[in-house]
Amino acid sequence: SQQGEEDPQALSIQEGENATMNCSYKTSINNLQWYRQNSGRGLVHLILIRSNEREKHSGRLRVTLDTSKKSSSLLITASRAADTASYFCATGGPFYNQGGKLIFGQGTELSVKP
Amino acid sequence: KAGVTQTPRYLIKTRGQQVTLSCSPISGHRSVSWYQQTPGQGLQFLFEYFSETQRNKGNFPGRFSGRQFSNSRSEMNVSTLELGDSALYLCASSSTGVSYEQYFGPGTRLTVT
Repeated sequence: SQQGEEDPQALSIQEGENATMNCSYKTSINNLQWYRQNSGRGLVHLILIRSNEREKHSGRLRVTLDTSKKSSSLLITASRAADTASYFCATGGPFYNQGGKLIFGQGTELSVKP
Repeated sequence: KAGVTQTPRYLIKTRGQQVTLSCSPISGHRSVSWYQQTPGQGLQFLFEYFSETQRNKGNFPGRFSGRQFSNSRSEMNVSTLELGDSALYLCASSSTGVSYEQYFGPGTRLTVT
């Protein structure tokens, strides 16, 4: 079963604009991760934020985590056509031996038009 | 380092048959996790193996099984295939499987007819 919801389900923007995707989850977590998937291929890890962190940056990516609201957001700044992909949030369980079990959201399909 | 490899990449099977998928993790990674991706259910966790032991298991029927070898390579087996088993099967490896990002293979596209 899915951990939570992502919204929007689909997002279409112009190159250069910012894209924001939101993710909500249901249970306690150790960390929250964001992945990208191009056209039904394997997933690529983007960024990981731990439960005791509130914000993290990596290049054009900014992730926030609010554990009180059980939600996270991913911001991609100055988007490019190459950012067109599906984006998934995934949570790792709170216990030491649960790191290998990620629970994924439904994903946001991002389309960046040149 | 070479990435995660999965074989075969594409597979067509008939309902009732069984299938075995293979995954070779990144060198040094001891945790291998398997996921099923379908348009309807999304990405669902199947199971995780760490040091040849199943450490976590998802909510799939017993027809889905797996194993891990001493070199960390993993296989998953689906017996008595059903049409609903058609999916992209992804495996991922991580160094310890504890609070670390997972590295995914390209997946095996299984079609059951």
